[in-house]
Amino acid sequence: DADVTQTPRNRITKTGKRIMLECSQTKGHDRMYWYRQDPGLGLRLIYYSFDVKDINKGEISDGYSVSRQAQAKFSLSLESAIPNQTALYFCATSDPTPPYGYTFGSGTRLTVV
Amino acid sequence: SQQGEEDPQALSIQEGENATMNCSYKTSINNLQWYRQNSGRGLVHLILIRSNEREKHSGRLRVTLDTSKKSSSLLITASRAADTASYFCATEAGANSKLTFGKGITLSVRP
Repeated sequence: DADVTQTPRNRITKTGKRIMLECSQTKGHDRMYWYRQDPGLGLRLIYYSFDVKDINKGEISDGYSVSRQAQAKFSLSLESAIPNQTALYFCATSDPTPPYGYTFGSGTRLTVV
Repeated sequence: SQQGEEDPQALSIQEGENATMNCSYKTSINNLQWYRQNSGRGLVHLILIRSNEREKHSGRLRVTLDTSKKSSSLLITASRAADTASYFCATEAGANSKLTFGKGITLSVRP
C-alpha cells in the first residue's frame, strides 16, 4: 500500500455541489498538507495540520475547508464547488523533525463543470 | 506567492547528455528540496540540501546551493529517457515545515 493514499483519483462534479477529497497516511506522521496544482502555477498550499487539534490556513484557503479526523486522516472539502477549483489536488505528509522531507499522494484530479 | 523560480521553464536534451536546472529564491531558507513529477502523478522527493551545505550528491543527481546568490542548481548526469518529467524546487523557511514550491521545469530526454 502507498504511504499516502488519496481518494478519489478522479472526480467530475457540478457547480454548487459539495465535495470531499480524502487522504490517509501510514507514515505515522503528525504533519499533513493539502496542495493544489494548476498548469504553470506550481503547487500552492491550501491548508495544513501539525497534529489532530491543529488546523492552519495556507496561501489559498478561500472556498475550502478541512477536517483532521485522526492522525492518519486529513480531508479537504469544497463547500460549493466552482469551475475555477478545477485542478489537481495533492495531499502530503512530512517528517516529524527537521529537515522536513515530504511524501505526496498520487493526487485527485477534480473537474467542476 | 512563489518563493522559488526555476529556470529554464522547459529543457529538451538528448539521452546521455547532462541536464542542469536552476532555482532562485527570495528569502532566507532552512533548506531547499528538489522534487520530480511524472505526468499527472504525485511528486517524489529527490534530494534535500540544508542552508549550511553547498553541495550534495545522490546517484546521478548533484545539487548545489549558493545562499549568497539565493540560488540552487540540480544536475542530472548521463540523462535517460526515463528522466523525462517535471522538476520542482521547494524551499522551507521560518520556524515550521511548510514548503513553498516553484512553478517547475519540464525536462524532455530524447532517446
